[in-house]
Amino acid sequence: SQTIHQWPATLVQPVGSPLSLECTVEGTSNPNLYWYRQAAGRGLQLLFYSVGIGQISSEVPQNLSASRPQDRQFILSSKKLLLSDSGFYLCAWSGGQGTDTQYFGPGTRLTVL
Amino acid sequence: DAKTTQPNSMESNEEEPVHLPCNHSTISGTDYIHWYRQLPSQGPEYVIHGLTSNVNNRMASLAIAEDRKSSTLILHRATLRDAAVYYCILRDRAGAGSYQLTFGKGTKLSVIP
Repeated sequence: SQTIHQWPATLVQPVGSPLSLECTVEGTSNPNLYWYRQAAGRGLQLLFYSVGIGQISSEVPQNLSASRPQDRQFILSSKKLLLSDSGFYLCAWSGGQGTDTQYFGPGTRLTVL
Repeated sequence: DAKTTQPNSMESNEEEPVHLPCNHSTISGTDYIHWYRQLPSQGPEYVIHGLTSNVNNRMASLAIAEDRKSSTLILHRATLRDAAVYYCILRDRAGAGSYQLTFGKGTKLSVIP
């Protein structure tokens, strides 16, 4: 069966510090991968998605970047965090079709102080 | 993706059935109806999806109106673990839409012991 891992589970970082969140998927190959953010009391916002190694699409302009160095690894990064980057970051995967069911990881709660 | 309308909140007694409604009057012929739920401090979880016919799985049932302008997610016996925000989402079968799952505000279900 497929599983999706995210780490760390929680993170507190000062403004201006760098960020690296990691997501890995097991039990499937060539997944589509996604990064979402959920701000407190708000809905999920898609940040990036990837249909293959090295292929990244950004949905909104922001202070963040994403990379996919391996088939089942997806990394979210920032060079300098802003207060507005605080939120609940979720990684998800799906099959090859754009409308396939998405399966979410446990999330990383990021607080920027 | 077409817009959906759900009640902000609902309550149910434990071990009773729950009917969660969703209106999608602008649904197109190629839209699937998906339901996800999000438990507190967790990532969203896929529940069920359908196109025209009613669907059943181990988690829930999905009843789709004949004109497809509304649907109802049915939890047959609510448990305390079913307390979550439930999202009704339309996805284009043809894959012409974006990869993004557009989460609205959903329905917050409270289960009373």
